[in-house]
Amino acid sequence: EAQVTQNPRYLITVTGKKLTVTCSQNMNHEYMSWYRQDPGLGLRQIYYSMNVEVTDKGDVPEGYKVSRKEKRNFPLILESPSPNQTSLYFCASSYLTTDTQYFGPGTRLTVL
Amino acid sequence: GIQVEQSPPDLILQEGANSTLRCNFSDSVNNLQWFHQNPWGQLINLFYIPSGTKQNGRLSATTVATERYSLLYISSSQTTDSGVYFCAVDFGGYNKLIFGAGTRLAVHP
Repeated sequence: EAQVTQNPRYLITVTGKKLTVTCSQNMNHEYMSWYRQDPGLGLRQIYYSMNVEVTDKGDVPEGYKVSRKEKRNFPLILESPSPNQTSLYFCASSYLTTDTQYFGPGTRLTVL
Repeated sequence: GIQVEQSPPDLILQEGANSTLRCNFSDSVNNLQWFHQNPWGQLINLFYIPSGTKQNGRLSATTVATERYSLLYISSSQTTDSGVYFCAVDFGGYNKLIFGAGTRLAVHP
């Protein structure tokens, strides 16, 4: 089944404890990205990647890192999480930059 | 600035009713998608429709790019259609989707 997977789906952590949210797609997509969704602010892009080893900032990159060492994986790294990073996170992928984006199931993160 | 506006913000329907959701955007687009976010938070892709008309079962969508709007039609609504419907637009060609605020739909039996 073609899909985008994320892990974990739910995470409660404390300020300053490094964490990684994994994202994987099995559709051989070139393009991957991360969004966060917050009440009143909607969905906003954090980072995107056009291909392996090519990443760039979206609208709200502060406090996040990404890497794209393999085409299928695009992990989101929070080196020192803070409470303002409490959010619902989505990974997405598409074959081309002008193509349907498919979204993962979401990761609900709470930083205490 | 770049804007994506959706209307209405909220919609309550009886099961079996039809509805039209609207998305206005402020500039020419490379990509436009409609999504349904279900009550569990999942974003389900409904249509990729930068222009033209598409249909998928009870749902259809039309984008008139020259007039900068898109419409999502839901016919014979069911309770499972409840949730939030988002229009998302890419203006710059890098597939950075700008999401509208959504239309919250509640379908009652």
